[in-house]
Amino acid sequence: GAGVSQTPSNKVTEKGKYVELRCDPISGHTALYWYRQSLGQGPEFLIYFQGTGAADDSGLPNDRFFAVRPEGSVSTLKIQRTERGDSAVYLCASRFGTRRGNEQFFGPGTRLTVL
Amino acid sequence: RKEVEQDPGPFNVPEGATVAFNCTYSNSASQSFFWYRQDCRKEPKLLMSVYSSGNEDGRFTAQLNRASQYISLLIRDSKLSDSATYLCVVNIGDAGGTSYGKLTFGQGTILTVHP
Repeated sequence: GAGVSQTPSNKVTEKGKYVELRCDPISGHTALYWYRQSLGQGPEFLIYFQGTGAADDSGLPNDRFFAVRPEGSVSTLKIQRTERGDSAVYLCASRFGTRRGNEQFFGPGTRLTVL
Repeated sequence: RKEVEQDPGPFNVPEGATVAFNCTYSNSASQSFFWYRQDCRKEPKLLMSVYSSGNEDGRFTAQLNRASQYISLLIRDSKLSDSATYLCVVNIGDAGGTSYGKLTFGQGTILTVHP
């Protein structure tokens, strides 16, 4: 079946612009996660959704970052007034339920470059 | 101190070699442990979970020492296709006993297997 999909695959923007990154989780997966991976580092947690609500947004670096999941499926990560330091690969992952051991499946990521 | 620490390598080994990766984690409340594999410019994919009793999957053996907060991965008879970044990952879970899936990644260890 289809895996997690993310669009766009690449996004180049200028400093100060607004961007939206989209994630389509695996059908039926209630848990959705956003991570950010900088060059040479492992992914870092940003936010977790269970259904429509953000259950844990402790990883969002500041209030320029916001994410929504209005219908409990597709999620959008929104970044306002982008900065060069926001350049990274933004990964989305989904999981069925919250039972320990349920595998988390990652999408291919969106590579964001802020010039 | 980082929550999950790995030797970034790179490790360069010949085909057929045995190679071991180590990882330490700082949060004693961590409940679940994993090794993920990430190919260049691809998303992370689960390689194997790590259990207290140790577990093996073909040429791969994972060990967990909770007292020392130490995780290891052993790869025997290395193949060219094993070349990738190996990410040590922990999940703290929550007090309710579920594991909502927030993953904390190490920096990753780069492995290159050469002919």
